[in-house]
Amino acid sequence: EDQVTQSPEALRLQEGESSSLNCSYTVSGLRGLFWYRQDPGKGPEFLFTLYSAGEEKEKERLKATLTKKESFLHITAPKPEDSATYLCAVRYTGGYQKVTFGTGTKLQVIP
Amino acid sequence: NAGVTQTPKFRILKIGQSMTLQCTQDMNHNYMYWYRQDPGMGLKLIYYSVGAGITDKGEVPNGYNVSRSTTEDFPLRLELAAPSQTSVYFCASSYTADTQYFGPGTRLTVL
Repeated sequence: EDQVTQSPEALRLQEGESSSLNCSYTVSGLRGLFWYRQDPGKGPEFLFTLYSAGEEKEKERLKATLTKKESFLHITAPKPEDSATYLCAVRYTGGYQKVTFGTGTKLQVIP
Repeated sequence: NAGVTQTPKFRILKIGQSMTLQCTQDMNHNYMYWYRQDPGMGLKLIYYSVGAGITDKGEVPNGYNVSRSTTEDFPLRLELAAPSQTSVYFCASSYTADTQYFGPGTRLTVL
């Protein structure tokens, strides 16, 4: 069964304490892996797209990496404004819109 | 650009009532999507469209209908509302079927 699993479900960090979020997937024919940020009461906001193993993307304190089985979202020296739920999604072969979302990691950064 | 707009923001329905959730995008995107998001669950695709006049079912289409008469608009119709349709509904659009841009969501309660 095609699956996208995110861990941990929740993460609490002190400001400046770096960490990583994980997204593992068991799909065949990866077409793209996406990271989104979602603030409470709002729609997801696009962060990164990764297409092939070894690819990396960076934006401010965030860095996304991809292997054949998983992706990591590394957060370096986080600030309270980085607090949000981070969603991972995978697009894979099997149809036009075979996109599966994970359930997200809720990140809280404490001052 | 306003991006993706959704109306209403909140709605309470009684069991058996019907309503239409509106979605409009001003980015000239061909692809549009409707998702529902339940607590602790990933985003689930209800319907999608690859262009005006073309729609197809997603993962959870039962109890919903869509139409796409223009590039900009993609309304979602709920017929005979049921408590199981209590959720937050997100509309999204994309240019290349990869990166999706989400609206702010509609929070629907069916009592």
